[in-house]
Amino acid sequence: EAGVAQSPRYKIIEKRQSVAFWCNPISGHATLYWYQQILGQGPKLLIQFQNNGVVDDSQLPKDRFSAERLKGVDSTLKIQPAKLEDSAVYLCASSFHRAPGTDTQYFGPGTRLTVL
Amino acid sequence: DQQVKQNSPSLSVQEGRISILNCDYTNSMFDYFLWYKKYPAEGPTFLISISSIKDKNEDGRFTVFLNKSAKHLSLHIVPSQPGDSAVYFCAASSGGGADGLTFGKGTHLIIQP
Repeated sequence: EAGVAQSPRYKIIEKRQSVAFWCNPISGHATLYWYQQILGQGPKLLIQFQNNGVVDDSQLPKDRFSAERLKGVDSTLKIQPAKLEDSAVYLCASSFHRAPGTDTQYFGPGTRLTVL
Repeated sequence: DQQVKQNSPSLSVQEGRISILNCDYTNSMFDYFLWYKKYPAEGPTFLISISSIKDKNEDGRFTVFLNKSAKHLSLHIVPSQPGDSAVYFCAASSGGGADGLTFGKGTHLIIQP
């Protein structure tokens, strides 16, 4: 079974530029998550999709971050304009969303963003 | 306000011995707990989970213990192997795991030969 795919793996941009990340979840997984992991911290949830609808985006800085999951499969996360503090690894995860107590999130390799 | 805390940034254990990683949480709504292992330049890999209706879950060399009254969980690795050297993250969720995860800062486990 193929895992969660993400691209690009690395991205370097200057502040005020825009950037987009792509995620392809595990086949059949209804739920997709984007996390931001700053160096030395644990991942922090940015947004959660159930199929193509947003379940939770309470921690997404909506003035500069946006995300979409068209057709309930692939997803893109965009930052426009980027700030220095956006330097982090952006992780995508997916889960099957079965019965409560059994849902496990599987993570992709992440995209390391450096903002100069 | 850290809802999931891993108070040991690093832990060094001799090969063959038991590794014990600890995690504390503050949010009473958490009902599903997971441990992830992370190697450099890779995403977190799922290791083991436990629902709040249980107090122990075992999978091979890995056992997770949950003490709900103390809001504490621990991961035991027996015996520890060199390949276990990695950063371990404790994570918690409400809604039976359907909600987004709240992570601790991680513990870097180093297995000494």
